[in-house]
Amino acid sequence: DQQVKQNSPSLSVQEGRISILNCDYTNSMFDYFLWYKKYPAEGPTFLISISSIKDKNEDGRFTVFLNKSAKHLSLHIVPSQPGDSAVYFCAANAGGTSYGKLTFGQGTILTVHP
Amino acid sequence: EAQVTQNPRYLITVTGKKLTVTCSQNMNHEYMSWYRQDPGLGLRQIYYSMNVEVTDKGDVPEGYKVSRKEKRNFPLILESPSPNQTSLYFCAPGTEYEQYFGPGTRLTVT
Repeated sequence: DQQVKQNSPSLSVQEGRISILNCDYTNSMFDYFLWYKKYPAEGPTFLISISSIKDKNEDGRFTVFLNKSAKHLSLHIVPSQPGDSAVYFCAANAGGTSYGKLTFGQGTILTVHP
Repeated sequence: EAQVTQNPRYLITVTGKKLTVTCSQNMNHEYMSWYRQDPGLGLRQIYYSMNVEVTDKGDVPEGYKVSRKEKRNFPLILESPSPNQTSLYFCAPGTEYEQYFGPGTRLTVT
């Protein structure tokens, strides 16, 4: 049972345009969400996060939006740069007794063309 | 400099031969975790530890053991590896919410 889903295996975007990566979840107990970026031959690196008490969090070119009623979050990258080409994973945490347990999506490969 | 060290980085072994993948962190995080990454399945948590001597199962703990005898180290033990444990493994210390991944260990079990 995949509780966190990234339904788009890949996304291709032109440099300078917006990249939108999507993530859906099923567990209503999730209360904290994260995005990680992964380059080949490296471990994932933390990008941005959002608590369920917010619906938006912004950090430079990266913005994460959370729609709790739809159980959906998205990562916007504006403007996209070739160096953003990587695999992006969303992850969720339920807190409480599930403290420390992160559930990840399958990942989306983003390719930004010059 | 904050660092997560995993050893070995690459390992090819045979079915049934016990092995240990070590993980060490210098960030003084209480929380540490192990993940495996497989194509189409993303990252799945194997085990995690909230502090010394405190460990708990993640989503795919079968066939693995862990120990947490000191804060900085969190080894992953495969007592009798099988081919379905061929994967890319990541150690991730951090907080209960944000985790910082090591460079990975590529394991092949033949």
